[in-house]
Amino acid sequence: DPKIIQKPKYLVAVTGSEKILICEQYLGHNAMYWYRQSAKKPLEFMFSYSYQKLMDNQTASSRFQPQSSKKNHLDLQITALKPDDSATYFCASSQRQYEQYFGPGTRLTVL
Amino acid sequence: GEQVEQRPPHLSVREGDSAVITCTYTDPNSYYFFWYKQEPGASLQLLMKVFSSTEINEGQGFTVLLNKKDKRLSLNLTAAHPGDSAAYFCAVSVGDTGGADRLTFGKGTQLIIQP
Repeated sequence: DPKIIQKPKYLVAVTGSEKILICEQYLGHNAMYWYRQSAKKPLEFMFSYSYQKLMDNQTASSRFQPQSSKKNHLDLQITALKPDDSATYFCASSQRQYEQYFGPGTRLTVL
Repeated sequence: GEQVEQRPPHLSVREGDSAVITCTYTDPNSYYFFWYKQEPGASLQLLMKVFSSTEINEGQGFTVLLNKKDKRLSLNLTAAHPGDSAAYFCAVSVGDTGGADRLTFGKGTQLIIQP
């Protein structure tokens, strides 16, 4: 059974719209993360949470808002979507500062 | 902030040969080091981890060497086979964010194993 679930797997959006990317982990980890991977940039850290509290933020734009409703959930809301936001978004989790395990990713295409 | 340089960006070796991928990092406070493998269209799979010391870790067909003096991390595939064809990424963490520490990744190495 998959231990980190990301929904949806593929997402197509129009410029200016808003989308929410879902992430749930069933590894019992207390830390969760978002990373982004695109053709233009390597794997890029976005946010980290520990016990549902924001710990680190590398995303300059306020259009990206993480949301943690439960300890094992960390969703990513993206507003006013732009074509440059097109990327694969990976959720990851870890037990404290140890190795991070990655979800399958959500591939977002903004037209 | 931390900068990680990974070389080479592309590597092609014959089946049975060895392959070496190297990363250098800038932050001397870096403490946790990882190698990930990514097959086309797939997620990142943790290959190996090594923590703050000059250390050699061996996995199934892999050896990892960390040299903190030179701030260098390397992954050595000892006898490549077709299943090793993938992108490989090194990742470095300083470990200073209370247990939710960002990974800084290298740009990746696309490894192709030729029969």
